[in-house]
Amino acid sequence: GEDVEQSLFLSVREGDSSVINCTYTDSSSTYLYWYKQEPGAGLQLLTYIFSNMDMKQDQRLTVLLNKKDKHLSLRIADTQTGDSAIYFCAEFPNTGNQFYFGTGTSLTVIP
Amino acid sequence: DTEVTQTPKHLVMGMTNKKSLKCEQHMGHRAMYWYKQKAKKPPELMFVYSYEKLSINESVPSRFSPECPNSSLLNLHLHALQPEDSALYLCASSQDYREQGYEQYFGPGTRLTVT
Repeated sequence: GEDVEQSLFLSVREGDSSVINCTYTDSSSTYLYWYKQEPGAGLQLLTYIFSNMDMKQDQRLTVLLNKKDKHLSLRIADTQTGDSAIYFCAEFPNTGNQFYFGTGTSLTVIP
Repeated sequence: DTEVTQTPKHLVMGMTNKKSLKCEQHMGHRAMYWYKQKAKKPPELMFVYSYEKLSINESVPSRFSPECPNSSLLNLHLHALQPEDSALYLCASSQDYREQGYEQYFGPGTRLTVT
């Protein structure tokens, strides 16, 4: 399978910005995704970006894509305690047949 | 309605039991998925159904048996499980399969414990 890497943990103070990073492996992926998983729950799609875009903004979320370095990031502005969760990036390579999820980043927001 | 429902929410079963997990969606999606997720790990794909036909079986042991009775329902039949099968089992659906840009919608999962 694909090795989609993320840092395991991130801790920020409430009101600060959070940046979660992801390194993916297949440059053929047309779309790249960010999912959020709260404790005991399923995965919720937050946003996705088309590979011909560098940036996508959606309210407090900003996705940056560096296709050359195969690097994806998710910035959460004004982070709230309700943003505490595990965040997974995911890719669906053109050459593949399934989603490949990153290792997940556990975000803790300190009040 | 963008909801995927799963029942039961929790299941405890012995190694000799037979049980089933159920998943339902009414979004008209033609692809449905079963994932297994261990704590703090990403979901691992088990099965994909596309237009009610099994498209992918990721070398899953035969003690897990999927079934897609119709386009809205997906079952996972469990028999003779092992304690290491304890995990969160997630169902997902998407509008189509092998088409990028069709995001997957996930259910809340069934927390399975095998004793």
